This record gives sequence, structure tokens and C-alpha cells, in this order.
Amino acid sequence: KQEVTQIPAALSVPEGENLVLNCSFTDSAIYNLQWFRQDPGKGLTSLLLIQSSQREQTSGRLNASLDKSSGRSTLYIAASQPGDSATYLCAVNQAGTALIFGKGTTLSVSS
Amino acid sequence: DGGITQSPKYLFRKEGQNVTLSCEQNLNHDAMYWYRQDPGQGLRLIYYSQIVNDFQKGDIAEGYSVSREKKESFPLTVTSAQKNPTAFYLCASGIDRSGYGYTFGSGTRLTVV
Repeated sequence: KQEVTQIPAALSVPEGENLVLNCSFTDSAIYNLQWFRQDPGKGLTSLLLIQSSQREQTSGRLNASLDKSSGRSTLYIAASQPGDSATYLCAVNQAGTALIFGKGTTLSVSS
Repeated sequence: DGGITQSPKYLFRKEGQNVTLSCEQNLNHDAMYWYRQDPGQGLRLIYYSQIVNDFQKGDIAEGYSVSREKKESFPLTVTSAQKNPTAFYLCASGIDRSGYGYTFGSGTRLTVV
């Protein structure tokens, strides 16, 4: 059974720092991997989707990488801002099932 | 605007009652999903449907039921058999099983009183 793990569970940084969030998964047979953002009490917003054949995707200050063979993905956030404070969730898509989520990393960026 | 709507935003249930959470989408998505989120936890899959009149159990389906009579609608009923229903419930839709276009509703917070 696929399991998704995110480290760290929580992270606090001062504004302007570059940071990395980690995601690992146990079964490398995935279609793709997505990173989502969740604000408190809200739904999720998709940030980046990486196909299994891709190595990375970029959107603005966000860069996500995927190493399928080792079961790892990272989300890199450049020049963090207070508005980046949220919970970031990693999810993998396997054939014929719904997305399987990690527990998330809660990020706090102080000004 | 296309999107996915969950209602109500807050719901209170008495012990022994069944309650139904609504989820409607106008994105013309084939796939729809229900997740449960508890504090400090990720999302756990309750049920999903990839086509009208068909749905599959997820990891924690016990005590829940769903229907998919229309493409746009995927209501979730929390039955009295669900012993610990207090949680945040999220509905999502996707273009198909590929994961593309995954769109979430704003959630329903269910509390047992």
C-alpha cells in the first residue's frame, strides 16, 4: 500500500529565506505527483504537478523536483514571504485510484 | 465561473442522526472524490467516483455512503454507524483519473453535539 511521508511536519523561517519541503513515497509506480497549498479552514489549491517522466516543474518562486526511482520529491520556495504561510501537501497519483496524500508541512514565515 | 461548491460550510449532528453533505461541480469533470481531514492529519479517502452511477470505497468508507446519479453531484451521507464523524470534509473533482485539474471545494466542518 502506497504511503506518503512529509518532513518536516512544521517549519518556521524569517522572511526572505529559501526553503525546501520534502516528500517521500513507498511505491515508485506513480502516474504523477502534485503539491498543494491549504490555508487554515480552507480547501486545497494545486501548485505544481509533475508527470512521472519529468524531473521538475517551476511556477514563479516555486520549484518542484521528482526522483521517482528513489521515491522522493522536494518543493523549493525561493525568497519566502509571510503570504507563503500555509500547509503544503504532497500527493501521488497511482493508476485507477484517487490521490494519496501526505500529512503536510505547516510553514510559518515571519516578517 | 467554473468551480466546485460544498454546502453547508458548518454542520452539527446529534448522536444517532444521518446527515448529508452536498458537493456540486460545474467543471464537467468525470471524477469526484470525498476526503476526510482530522487535525494534524493529511487527507484520507472516503469514496470516489470516476463515472456516473459508479463509485468505489476508499480507505475509510465504513459509516459513510454516497451516490452519483448526475455528473455534477456527489453527495456524502454520514450515517449513525460512523462513530467519530467530527472532522473537516473535502470534496474534489478531476478531469479523469489522471489527477489533472484536481479542484477542491471549500469544505464542510461537521461537529457532533
